[in-house]
Amino acid sequence: QVQLQESGPGLVKSSETLSLICTVSGASLRSYYWSWIRQPAGRGLEWIGRIYTTGTTSYNSSLKSRVTLSLDTSKNQVSLRLTSVTAADTAVYYCAGDDLLAGLYHGGQGILVTVSS
Amino acid sequence: SYELTQPPSVSVSPGQTAKITCSGDALPIKEAFWFQQKPGQAPILVIYKDTKRPSGIPERFSGSGSGTTVTLTISGVQAEDEADYYCQSADSSGTYFVFGTGTKVTVL
Repeated sequence: QVQLQESGPGLVKSSETLSLICTVSGASLRSYYWSWIRQPAGRGLEWIGRIYTTGTTSYNSSLKSRVTLSLDTSKNQVSLRLTSVTAADTAVYYCAGDDLLAGLYHGGQGILVTVSS
Repeated sequence: SYELTQPPSVSVSPGQTAKITCSGDALPIKEAFWFQQKPGQAPILVIYKDTKRPSGIPERFSGSGSGTTVTLTISGVQAEDEADYYCQSADSSGTYFVFGTGTKVTVL
């Protein structure tokens, strides 16, 4: 059974860097593609980016200058780093592992991150 | 930037059929995926590659596509289907993904 758990600070100060970790159990990082998605309160889903098993990344164009995804295969973790945050980055952040073309998708329960001034 | 457009809301009586559309210029050449999200929960995949149903998803969920529009159909809607639904696809170059604007399905 594949399980994903997001972790990190729930409160980040404006202009600082948001760093989250997604710990994966029940699957190797080589088995899926890994994505981060976020959702501001009361609003829709926003795709942040995806990292492939090769380490190749793809990012939302509106966040590309501020976001970095990475893999730590020794710890079976996927990381998100978002720099220069503002109140607009306040959201629930979800990590997900998928092989969408094969109909496989595993998502974490999400973590609320609030950006304070 | 690429956009996928959905109706904000759909209302349906139990047992009836709900249809949710998703429009985007690249949909004729890029696969679409549909996610269901219930309040306070993470999204789950209900349709992949336009028309396919993942393991464990009820048969009442189906997908179709025509041109720049794909459609999620829920036949014989049940109260438990009340949720937000999002389509997802890639831009024409396959460089990045995007979610649709989301549709709230209300079961009357």
